[in-house]
This record gives sequence, structure tokens and C-alpha cells, in this order.
Amino acid sequence: GAGVSQSPSNKVTEKGKDVELRCDPISGHTALYWYRQSLGQGLEFLIYFQGNSAPDKSGLPSDRFSAERTGGSVSTLTIQRTQQEDSAVYLCASSLGHLQQPQHFGDGTRLSIL
Amino acid sequence: GQQLNQSPQSMFIQEGEDVSMNCTSSSIFNTWLWYKQDPGEGPVLLIALYKAGELTSNGRLTAQFGITRKDSFLNISASIPSDVGIYFCAGRETSGSRLTFGEGTQLTVNP
Repeated sequence: GAGVSQSPSNKVTEKGKDVELRCDPISGHTALYWYRQSLGQGLEFLIYFQGNSAPDKSGLPSDRFSAERTGGSVSTLTIQRTQQEDSAVYLCASSLGHLQQPQHFGDGTRLSIL
Repeated sequence: GQQLNQSPQSMFIQEGEDVSMNCTSSSIFNTWLWYKQDPGEGPVLLIALYKAGELTSNGRLTAQFGITRKDSFLNISASIPSDVGIYFCAGRETSGSRLTFGEGTQLTVNP
């Protein structure tokens, strides 16, 4: 498809386990963003990648969270030693560039920590 | 940190009515965006605004970038049942790259 693709769409795991969430941005988009959305809340910025520049990690809530973007395309968000408060929808977005270009979102990964 | 207040939090209206929601920020933005989110899906961009005072329409939707650059509103005219969803405003500061999102307005349209 032509949109942002995220997988899995749903993930249920036990507390303490590690999880990996994947994002395939729109082809040609150089900027990629990760957000977290808790139930009934707005979007909380996590991390931002732009081309080959160092990512803006200022939104990551703890050192258990990390993200990579390989080859300037696919990105993986990793959460280590998951906690129940990590339960949320994790949304990925991409844009043509960071300067005033609107972001286009995937449908998210709904993460549930038991 | 950046504060972005969106109101109202929720609205219950009858089909055919007009709707207005707004966002205000504690600092100046150079971009305002309005998104709609349906259950189980990601936000979908409705309108993008790039200049103070700009008024942009998309079908029955109209949004404006406030002259002070600290606010924006979204109007929906002649609402229909498929307008139901959560509407988010988002803004980008002049000095930063990240978007700040409002808390959302939950819209319910009764047929």
C-alpha cells in the first residue's frame, strides 16, 4: 500500500518481556516519528528521525525505550523489560521532511502488558 | 514544556448542526494541523495551515491559523454521522521539529 504500515497491529505480552514494533514509512519520506497514545489521550512524542541526522530522542520516557531506523527507511521501536504502564497505542508517522511537511500516520500497534 | 489546550473535550450534537473547536498554545507556532482519528486507526490529516491569518477549507471543514500564531480553530458545517470521531489539533514551534498535539475533541453526532 501507499500509506505508513505498522506491525503488529496488536501485541499482548507479559510484564518484563521485551517487544519490538515495526514501522514502514511512505516511500520517499525522509522523516519518521514515533508517538505513544494512551487511552483517551492525545499523542505523546517519543522520537524523530530525519535522514542521516542524529535522531531526536528527547521524548523517550526511559532508557528501556530505544529506536532504530535502518537504511533511512524501516524503523523499529524496542521496549525492554516492559511494564504495565507501557500499555498504549504506538503510532508511527512519516513526512517528506521536517520543515512544515504534514505527517502521515499508520494505524498503530496496540500494546497490552499483562 | 509546551502547553496546547484543546476545547471542548467532547461534543454531542444533532445531525445538520455546525461544530466549532479550538486550540490555544502557550508559545508561537509556525504550523497548525488538524487531524481526525477513527477508532482503531491512526490520525488522518484534515487541514494544514502555514501562515498567520490563513483560512483554509476542505469540503465542510474550515480551519484558521490565528493572527497571534498561538491559536487555531476548526469548524465543521452541516455535520453528518460519519463526522463522529476524535479531532486533534497539532502545532509546530518555530524553533523545533516536533509536533505538539492537543488532547482531542470527541465528537458525537446524533442522527
